[in-house]
Amino acid sequence: AQKVTQAQTEISVVEKEDVTLDCVYETRDTTYYLFWYKQPPSGELVFLIRRNSFDEQNEISGRYSWNFQKSTSSFNFTITASQVVDSAVYFCALSEVRTGANNLFFGTGTRLTVIP
Amino acid sequence: NAGVTQTPKFQVLKTGQSMTLQCAQDMNHEYMSWYRQDPGMGLRLIHYSVGAGITDQGEVPNGYNVSRSTTEDFPLRLLSAAPSQTSVYFCASSAMGVSNQPQHFGDGTRLSIL
Repeated sequence: AQKVTQAQTEISVVEKEDVTLDCVYETRDTTYYLFWYKQPPSGELVFLIRRNSFDEQNEISGRYSWNFQKSTSSFNFTITASQVVDSAVYFCALSEVRTGANNLFFGTGTRLTVIP
Repeated sequence: NAGVTQTPKFQVLKTGQSMTLQCAQDMNHEYMSWYRQDPGMGLRLIHYSVGAGITDQGEVPNGYNVSRSTTEDFPLRLLSAAPSQTSVYFCASSAMGVSNQPQHFGDGTRLSIL
């Protein structure tokens, strides 16, 4: 079973629109960590955020915000006023403490295209 | 400020050939990992190491070997390349366990097996 589901394979928005990338995870652990990574067209993976399972406070960083809801097992990512430079593939990932803490389970990614 | 360095960036092999993908980090990180990225499948863990002399298998280890003789280096060996190993390979490192530390990724090695 997929531990991390990113149902949106591709999204296109016009510049300055807001966009939300969905992430649903599955785990039986009570302690776990969630991550978002960005992969721009150049191919490298850029860390964006880490959130532990005990901290459900939403977080905002500039135009980026994250909504963590344990009740729905979701960790969604919103970009406000999107820009062309936001075009990338975005990965959500889960790490479970129980399984030895040495594996990141990645979702299949959402390709975001921001049209100028 | 090198971070995680992977070489080569691109490689084409013939079926049955062997090769080693190099990974080096200069952050004195204990944890290092190798992932492969295939279209539509995200990244999957191949092997990882929690320190020099210690390695273990990840989700998709078959066909790959690793060793960790130093803290800095974590090479990935393909013993007999197969077309199914065509992929983009990423090496990553972190100071502590994956759970509570973000991993630093290299720029990737794009490998094609003919």
